[in-house]
Amino acid sequence: SAVISQKPSRDICQRGTSLTIQCQVDSQVTMMFWYRQQPGQSLTLIATANQGSEATYESGFVIDKFPISRPNLTFSTLTVSNMSPEDSSIYLCSVEGGAGQSGANVLTFGAGSRLTVL
Amino acid sequence: QKEVEQNSGPLSVPEGAIASLNCTYSDRGSQSFFWYRQYSGKSPELIMFIYSNGDKEDGRFTAQLNKASQYVSLLIRDSQPSDSATYLCAVEGRALTFGSGTRLQVQP
Repeated sequence: SAVISQKPSRDICQRGTSLTIQCQVDSQVTMMFWYRQQPGQSLTLIATANQGSEATYESGFVIDKFPISRPNLTFSTLTVSNMSPEDSSIYLCSVEGGAGQSGANVLTFGAGSRLTVL
Repeated sequence: QKEVEQNSGPLSVPEGAIASLNCTYSDRGSQSFFWYRQYSGKSPELIMFIYSNGDKEDGRFTAQLNKASQYVSLLIRDSQPSDSATYLCAVEGRALTFGSGTRLQVQP
């Protein structure tokens, strides 16, 4: 399965600022997914990032708040803009890795970026 | 919208016992189902997936799928304290939809 490097691993941010999270994969992948995991909660999909096209955002997430770049098949960034304490969360990058003959597309996750907004 | 439901727990079992984790899903058209384990402060890691009705075994883990009842379960045999974690059920669609997770505590 793919190896994903995500940074920063954690950060403490001031209200109103923006932070960009980077995700680097050791192999070329078609789709990259950005998830959010708020404290004590499960994972919620923010958007799907395809190389060469606009990201597809899930209900409740907008491009102005979470702009995404996907400049090539191994890299993506997620920016959390104009942060508020409600944005304090773990942000996870993930990619699909084939599961052999089964065809099921298994997600592999990066280590996550834990953001705390004061 | 797909929904995946799990009991939040905690589910507490003694060491060596069988832990049974359950999950229901709303989309009858769902085809593939996944169980992830997440240790505190870590990212989720895949335990196993299943897409056919019945049981699928992998070591101490058995996934069970009943599409008619829209029900997926994970059995952990001979539970160990190292199995203490949150277990996330996920359903495949355009991307994975996760349940809220069940926290498992295995008591030594």
